[in-house]
Amino acid sequence: EPEVTQTPSHQVTQMGQEVILRCVPISNHLYFYWYRQILGQKVEFLVSFYNNEISEKSEIFDDQFSVERPDGSNFTLKIRSTKLEDSAMYFCASSEVAGISYEQYFGPGTRLTVT
Amino acid sequence: QKEVEQDPGPLSVPEGAIVSLNCTYSNSAFQYFMWYRQYSRKGPELLMYTYSSGNKEDGRFTAQVDKSSKYISLFIRDSQPSDSATYLCAMSLYSSASKIIFGSGTRLSIRP
Repeated sequence: EPEVTQTPSHQVTQMGQEVILRCVPISNHLYFYWYRQILGQKVEFLVSFYNNEISEKSEIFDDQFSVERPDGSNFTLKIRSTKLEDSAMYFCASSEVAGISYEQYFGPGTRLTVT
Repeated sequence: QKEVEQDPGPLSVPEGAIVSLNCTYSNSAFQYFMWYRQYSRKGPELLMYTYSSGNKEDGRFTAQVDKSSKYISLFIRDSQPSDSATYLCAMSLYSSASKIIFGSGTRLSIRP
């Protein structure tokens, strides 16, 4: 069964460093998303991406964040200068089409620890 | 008022019991209502979704949406130990491309 994959599973970085989280969405999917979940808190939407541009972003997704689809298979989230409060699980998701028939498939997540 | 409210639990029931999980929400514009299951240190997995009001059944799972009360429910019949997980209610406004707003999740434990 097709699945969303994410690498690395765990990333430890120092405050102020840049990190890139990588995702491989399901191959025929067109919409891509990043969510995050701080330990003990809700899963929160960060950004959606379609047709090589951002469709929607949350207040969390400030200038420190960027997303890119560098090739036909990868989807990345970059945090330019990490802060302690960026420590969280980051989930990538993808969906096939827009419309009533709907499912966003989530990857297993990358645990980001900022020290 | 929080956009989506969900009792975090934990909820512990014996195997075979009927489980009822609920969420309330404040934004009457939500149209798509979902239940996700999340195992520890894993990504959310979609269990069921409903468009607008009504009921939907899938095996042992039934989802209900009451838009007039801004209240959604998930019922699990004949609960099994393998159903032990965190259950997240979720909703979105427009379409599958919309951001999903999640509840905080209810941790459920089914005792053998």
